[in-house]
Amino acid sequence: QQQVKQSPQSLIVQKGGISIINCAYENTAFDYFPWYQQFPGKGPALLIAIRPDVSEKKEGRFTISFNKSAKQFSLHIMDSQPGDSATYFCAASGNTGKLIFGQGTTLQVKP
Amino acid sequence: DGGITQSPKYLFRKEGQNVTLSCEQNLNHDAMYWYRQDPGQGLRLIYYSQIVNDFQKGDIAEGYSVSREKKESFPLTVTSAQKNPTAFYLCASLQGGNQPQHFGDGTRLSIL
Repeated sequence: QQQVKQSPQSLIVQKGGISIINCAYENTAFDYFPWYQQFPGKGPALLIAIRPDVSEKKEGRFTISFNKSAKQFSLHIMDSQPGDSATYFCAASGNTGKLIFGQGTTLQVKP
Repeated sequence: DGGITQSPKYLFRKEGQNVTLSCEQNLNHDAMYWYRQDPGQGLRLIYYSQIVNDFQKGDIAEGYSVSREKKESFPLTVTSAQKNPTAFYLCASLQGGNQPQHFGDGTRLSIL
């Protein structure tokens, strides 16, 4: 019940395309859903986050869509660029602050 | 600049040896976390501390130990009981509640 399942494991997108990464969770007590971006040899950095009282949040080219009834949320990267090539992690937490991470998606954006 | 500093960046452990990974933060955050990252497995929680002089086991605490004597410091010791220590170790901190965790740049531990 504590798991967060992320897919796909890897993704190749052409420059200018849309990258979509999906996550699903079980625990209905989760109320904070961040996405992290990680470059090789670096720690994850917060990209965008959403709480379940909204269905969508957009920041620049990055959008989170949230479906509370389905217990799913997704990251959309519009106009994907080679600089977006990284590993992306979804996560979920409740009021303890403990994050449960998905397994990660390695994104490659081809020029 | 406020942030989290992990050291060393690379660390090698001999058989039967304990090693300690450093994590220091100047963000004045109350909570600190240690994660282990293996390829294809995401981040798994080792230990966390929500207040000085208190810490709790995470999902994979066996073979590890921590201390939290100061608010800004949360060192992780990888003991000889940890039979598969090769991994990328990440430290994070959090002000409280549902705020984003801030991560350091990690320590990569390998076996000699």
